[in-house]
Amino acid sequence: KQEVTQIPAALSVPEGENLVLNCSFTDSAIYNLQWFRQDPGKGLTSLLLIQSSQREQTSGRLNASLDKSSGRSTLYIAASQPGDSATYLCAVRRHTGRRALTFGSGTRLQVQP
Amino acid sequence: EAQVTQNPRYLITVTGKKLTVTCSQNMNHEYMSWYRQDPGLGLRQIYYSMNVEVTDKGDVPEGYKVSRKEKRNFPLILESPSPNQTSLYFCASSFSPTGAIDGYTFGSGTRLTVV
Repeated sequence: KQEVTQIPAALSVPEGENLVLNCSFTDSAIYNLQWFRQDPGKGLTSLLLIQSSQREQTSGRLNASLDKSSGRSTLYIAASQPGDSATYLCAVRRHTGRRALTFGSGTRLQVQP
Repeated sequence: EAQVTQNPRYLITVTGKKLTVTCSQNMNHEYMSWYRQDPGLGLRQIYYSMNVEVTDKGDVPEGYKVSRKEKRNFPLILESPSPNQTSLYFCASSFSPTGAIDGYTFGSGTRLTVV
């Protein structure tokens, strides 16, 4: 059974810092991995999608990497801003079986002005 | 604008009173699914649909029904809601079941409270 873990559970940083969020998964047979952002009480906004054949994806100040063999992904946020404050979720799509995303519990990020 | 629309955003109901949460997408996506999000348990899949008239159970289907009569709509039905179904519900869609092309798009969520 696929399990997804995100560390740390919560993170508070001053504005301007570069930071890394971690996601690990137990079964490397994944189809893709997606990073989402969730604001309190709101829906999920897709940030980056990495296919299993890819090593990284970039969008603006965000960079996500994927090391399938070690079961890890990182989300790098450059020059953090207060508007980046949210919960960040990673989700993996299993390669076989039921068509479901398996989500981590998220990292709650607070960027202090 | 490409989006997944859920209604209502907030709903408070009483135990046993049937309700329907609607979900509609305008991206011509074939795959749609429902998730619930609970503190400490994360997001868990309730039901999914590969295409019109094709639905299947997810990880936590008990107490829920779905239908997929049209490609764009995928309503979630609670025939007899109970307090343990109090949760934040999300509808999601993607072009393919694998999310291979553009990943999954999620709706804004429906916060359901059953008293």
